[in-house]
Amino acid sequence: AQTVTQSQPEMSVQEAETVTLSCTYDTSESDYYLFWYKQPPSRQMILVIRQEAYKQQNATENRFSVNFQKAAKSFSLKISDSQLGDAAMYFCAYRAIQGGSEKLVFGKGTKLTVNP
Amino acid sequence: NAGVMQNPRHLVRRRGQEARLRCSPMKGHSHVYWYRQLPEEGLKFMVYLQKENIIDESGMPKERFSAEFPKEGPSILRIQQVVRGDSAAYFCASSLDRTHQETQYFGPGTRLLVL
Repeated sequence: AQTVTQSQPEMSVQEAETVTLSCTYDTSESDYYLFWYKQPPSRQMILVIRQEAYKQQNATENRFSVNFQKAAKSFSLKISDSQLGDAAMYFCAYRAIQGGSEKLVFGKGTKLTVNP
Repeated sequence: NAGVMQNPRHLVRRRGQEARLRCSPMKGHSHVYWYRQLPEEGLKFMVYLQKENIIDESGMPKERFSAEFPKEGPSILRIQQVVRGDSAAYFCASSLDRTHQETQYFGPGTRLLVL
């Protein structure tokens, strides 16, 4: 079974600085998708970024980028120029491509605090 | 284009009562997923449905829980004889189809509190 591990329960960053959130996963599949979701205090789940495992290039979305290391099964999220609105829980998630089920497997999350 | 809608947003039940949670997917989406989030935890998959079909219910407890997605109307997650351990946030997500390219879009969740 696939598992997703986020080893940092909490992180903090100064406004305008850069922070990196870690995520590792375990799978025997060769092709899959990885995601980062943001959950602000409203608890709405918001997709931040996604990465296809077959793509060599790391995904980027404005101030958000990932460092995808397939061999190491690592998928970290970098937030540049942090803003107060970035404060939230961040969840890393995995989705298999084969096997029929489209379910997402989530890590336990990292709580990000942004200090003014 | 309205997003995924869930109601109620908050639900309080006493032990032994039934809880019904509703999810209306995004317009045009025919695939629905239910996830449960316990306090201080990530989301855990429960069930994946298409219209009138359960595709994967591997994450759903065998007893007291059921889900449906009828041809007309919202998807319903039903919890019978609720217990305190059922207190959690229940999220619904929808996607356009089942191809792996499709992103799952989440609703705002239903917070269930069992007294």
